[in-house]
Parts: sequence; C-alpha cells; structure tokens
Amino acid sequence: IAGITQAPTSQILAAGRRMTLRCTQDMRHNAMYWYRQDLGLGLRLIHYSNTAGTTGKGEVPDGYSVSRANTDDFPLTLASAVPSQTSVYFCASSEGTNNSPLHFGNGTRLTVT
Amino acid sequence: AQSVTQLGSHVSVSEGALVLLRCNYSSSVPPYLFWYVQYPNQGLQLLLKYTSAATLVKGINGFEAEFKKSETSFHLTKPSAHMSDAAEYFCAVSGPGGFKTIFGAGTRLFVKA
Repeated sequence: IAGITQAPTSQILAAGRRMTLRCTQDMRHNAMYWYRQDLGLGLRLIHYSNTAGTTGKGEVPDGYSVSRANTDDFPLTLASAVPSQTSVYFCASSEGTNNSPLHFGNGTRLTVT
Repeated sequence: AQSVTQLGSHVSVSEGALVLLRCNYSSSVPPYLFWYVQYPNQGLQLLLKYTSAATLVKGINGFEAEFKKSETSFHLTKPSAHMSDAAEYFCAVSGPGGFKTIFGAGTRLFVKA
C-alpha cells in the first residue's frame, strides 16, 4: 500500500543525545514536510522540502535539521535533544501543486528525558 | 500571512445530532482550505478540500463544509453524528503551490450514545 513510513514509532531519548527520525514515501511526491504535534497547539511546521535537493524552514525550525538527498527520503535530525522537543512528530508529503492535500505517516512519539 | 482559528477545543454531541465544527481563516491571497481528521495513534487523513469550483464541498463519511468568503469561514458539518466520528478534526490553509500548510489547534469531537 502506497504511503509514508516513519521510524521509529516511539523513542525515549536522554537530553543531549543526537537522534534522527526517518521518513520514506513511495508516492513520488515532490514536497515533503515535518510537523510536530503538541496538545492545544495543533501541528506546527518544522521544515519542508519543495523538491529533492532543496529544504526550507517552517514555523519552529530551531534545534532541527533536515536533508533531501532524493525524492523518497526526508530524515529529521535533532543534533542535541532537549526536553522541550518531547512531542509527536509527523512526516507528510504532497504533490506540491495548488490545493494538493498532505499525506501523513503515523507519527513518531519522542520523549526527551 | 495565513492563519486558522478553530473555535472550541472540544465539542460534544449526542449520536444522531448535528455536528458543527467551526473554522475561520485569514489569508491575503485566495486560500486553499482543508479539513483533516485524526483518529487515536494515527496520522491525519484528508476529509475534504475547497477547490473554488463550489462553495459547498462534500467529503468522506458524510461530512461537508461551506466556504463563506464574506465571513472568512469554512465550517465543517455532518447532519447526523455517529459514534465512529469521535476523533480530532483540524482545519488547515495553504498558499499557492500548496506549501507551508498551516493548521488550526484542532477540535476534539466526542459523540455520546
């Protein structure tokens, strides 16, 4: 079944450690996104990529980095995790055209202690 | 800048009753509007999207939304609630190219038997 695969599904991480959240899509979508979901705040965009080789900053990019070496993969890295990065992280993709909807993975629940 | 406001973080209805979830948007350009639904421990799924072809948009599971430019609203309705409709609902707006989709804080719908 076509879609987005995120890994891991959950992780407990000590503060200061480095962590990469993985995201792979098989729909050949141009655009990919990382959001974090926090209670009462909805989803906030961390980083996005319009096409392979390009990335951009969203609303809350500090402490995170991304890369887009190819169309399918869009990993999110926390260089040195802090407790405020405890959240549920969602990867999404879209065709990148006007009014094209987002397709979401099932999320990664990250707890930073 | 674009923004979305969802009125009411929680809405409770009885099974069979009308569902009304409110969304107001702010956009300096013609908006692309969406409603997504999130079931527990899952990513978001598209319910419906506004395409400018019609102001009344029909989505999946019997939901529909009406775009009212004069009120900058895109409220979601369903004539008769079902227990399976219990979930969190997000209104979202995106700009040209579909990039940087902005989400509201979400409304959790409870359906009472």
